[in-house]
This record gives sequence, C-alpha cells and structure tokens, in this order.
Amino acid sequence: GAVVSQHPSWVICKSGTSVKIECRSLDFQATTMFWYRQFPKQSLMLMATSNEGSKATYEQGVEKDKFLINHASLTLSTLTVTSAHPEDSSFYICSAQQRLGYGYTFGSGTRLTVV
Amino acid sequence: AQSVAQPEDQVNVAEGNPLTVKCTYSVSGNPYLFWYVQYPNRGLQFLLKYITGDNLVKGSYGFEAEFNKSQTSFHLKKPSALVSDSALYFCARNSGNTPLVFGKGTRLSVIA
Repeated sequence: GAVVSQHPSWVICKSGTSVKIECRSLDFQATTMFWYRQFPKQSLMLMATSNEGSKATYEQGVEKDKFLINHASLTLSTLTVTSAHPEDSSFYICSAQQRLGYGYTFGSGTRLTVV
Repeated sequence: AQSVAQPEDQVNVAEGNPLTVKCTYSVSGNPYLFWYVQYPNRGLQFLLKYITGDNLVKGSYGFEAEFNKSQTSFHLKKPSALVSDSALYFCARNSGNTPLVFGKGTRLSVIA
C-alpha cells in the first residue's frame, strides 16, 4: 500500500533556529501534499496545501513566511519552521494524495519542541 | 462550510462489548466521509470511507460505519471491542477535491 515517510519523528531545537521536516511518498507520486498541525488533545488543523511545482496555498492565519513549504518533486515535500519559538512547539503531520479523488496517506508525524 | 462534529471527547467501553463513536456532518455538498485512528505520537491510520453506494461501510480491524443521510451521521461501530482498540479516533470529510476537514477527535478507552 501507499506509504509516506516523515522525518524526523521528533526534534528539539533552540528558540530562533530553523527546523526542516521532510515528507516523502515512497511508492507513489504525490501530486498534492497537505501539512497539518495538531495541538495536544486537539484536532488536526490544516496549515497548507501544496501541489508539485507550484506555491503552497496557506490557510487563513498561517504565516507563510514562518512556515515555508516546498514541493519540488512528486515524492518530496518539506516544511521549514523558520525562527522557531516555543509557541511553535506542536505535532506536525503531512498527508499525501496521489491524484484528485484518490485517498490520503499520512506520515507518522513530527513532534517539535522549541526550547 | 464543511464540518464534522464529534460530540464525545471520551468513550469508555468494556472489552468484548460493542462500541460506537459518534460523528455528524454538515449538510454541504455531497460529503465524502472518513474515519481515521491515531495512536500516541503517530500519524493517522485509515479505517474506512464512504463515497457513495451502500450506506454500511466495512473497514479495517473489524470496524464499520453507517452513513445516515436523514440524521447526517456517520457513526463508527465495532461489535466487540478490544483493549488494543484504545486510541484517538477522528471523523473527517471533504467533497472529493478539497482537503480533509477533521472533527476534534474522540478518545476511546477499552477496559479489560
């Protein structure tokens, strides 16, 4: 079945530094990838949608200059949290879709802690 | 706007008993409905989905859900709960080409 690999699983970084999270579709080409953020005991909030080769579409309230999303190939999307602050600490999950109408496959998530 | 509601934060059930996790959806377009399960510090695992056709959908690990248009519900069910079913369950929807919108999640605890 479709597999999405997300790395790292967890990361601790200092305030003010940047962190990159990778999401790879291992056995299919993902035309669309989604990035979600999950706060403790809360639901998944969509941050942005990215299509291969084009700029990501950010949800209202999500700072595009802070959360940089790159989807340069059909198998790789990255989320970079720039100048991270403690309030950015959260669980980030990616999801990949092979094409419109197909199902969604989720990565295993990244626990980011900013100290 | 599309949305789903999960009215229960927590559901407790004894092992071997039937379980139900509730979900209702907003009446907006033709809903595609999904159930996912999440274990601690993990991503989401797909359980089942309803697109069209039979209202009763069977999914992974013995779970099923019934699409009820009159009640705008899509409750998740299992005839006999296992301790290993204890996890966080999310109902979600979209309209085919739109991103998934998730409910707030329901924590299921199955007690031995």
